[in-house]
Amino acid sequence: GQQLNQSPQSMFIQEGEDVSMNCTSSSIFNTWLWYKQDPGEGPVLLIALYKAGELTSNGRLTAQFGITRKDSFLNISASIPSDVGIYFCGDSGAGSYQLTFGKGTKLSVIP
Amino acid sequence: EADIYQTPRYLVIGTGKKITLECSQTMGHDKMYWYQQDPGMELHLIHYSYGVNSTEKGDLSSESTVSRIRTEHFPLTLESARPSHTSQYLCASSIRQGPLNYGYTFGSGTRLTVV
Repeated sequence: GQQLNQSPQSMFIQEGEDVSMNCTSSSIFNTWLWYKQDPGEGPVLLIALYKAGELTSNGRLTAQFGITRKDSFLNISASIPSDVGIYFCGDSGAGSYQLTFGKGTKLSVIP
Repeated sequence: EADIYQTPRYLVIGTGKKITLECSQTMGHDKMYWYQQDPGMELHLIHYSYGVNSTEKGDLSSESTVSRIRTEHFPLTLESARPSHTSQYLCASSIRQGPLNYGYTFGSGTRLTVV
């Protein structure tokens, strides 16, 4: 079956630093979705990518759909305390009806 | 503003009770899902539905059941709650256009504690 690896598992960074996290898949993806989950809440969509090579920004967030269609990264610039949470990558690709999630990257920001 | 609603947000209930977690969406999405998630952990799909009268079990075995009588409504029921059911339950929905799923949106979740 399809395997989705997300790294790092957790990160501790200083406020103001840039952050990078990534996801890799054992199979080709048709979409990459990045979500953020605050404690006790549901995941909220940050960025959706639908084309290989696509680079999309949302404020301080930037994500790219890898050329091989098997990977994606999410960058956060100039981190702030409210960036704390768990970031999930996922795919809802052709032939499947449900979203496949990575295990998440837990981000902690030290003021 | 949420377009997918889950109630209750928090529920503490005794062992052996029957409970129903509600999920409704106003986006006209055909597909709906239930995930189970322990705090800070990964999401596990337990049920999904392609549309009215369609329900399927997900990757994680669950003692819960679901129904989909109306497009907008996808309730989850536990006939006899146990402490092992203590978790957060997240509902989501999406719409399929061609080969892709769009608008994959989550509710805020129900935090269930069985004592």
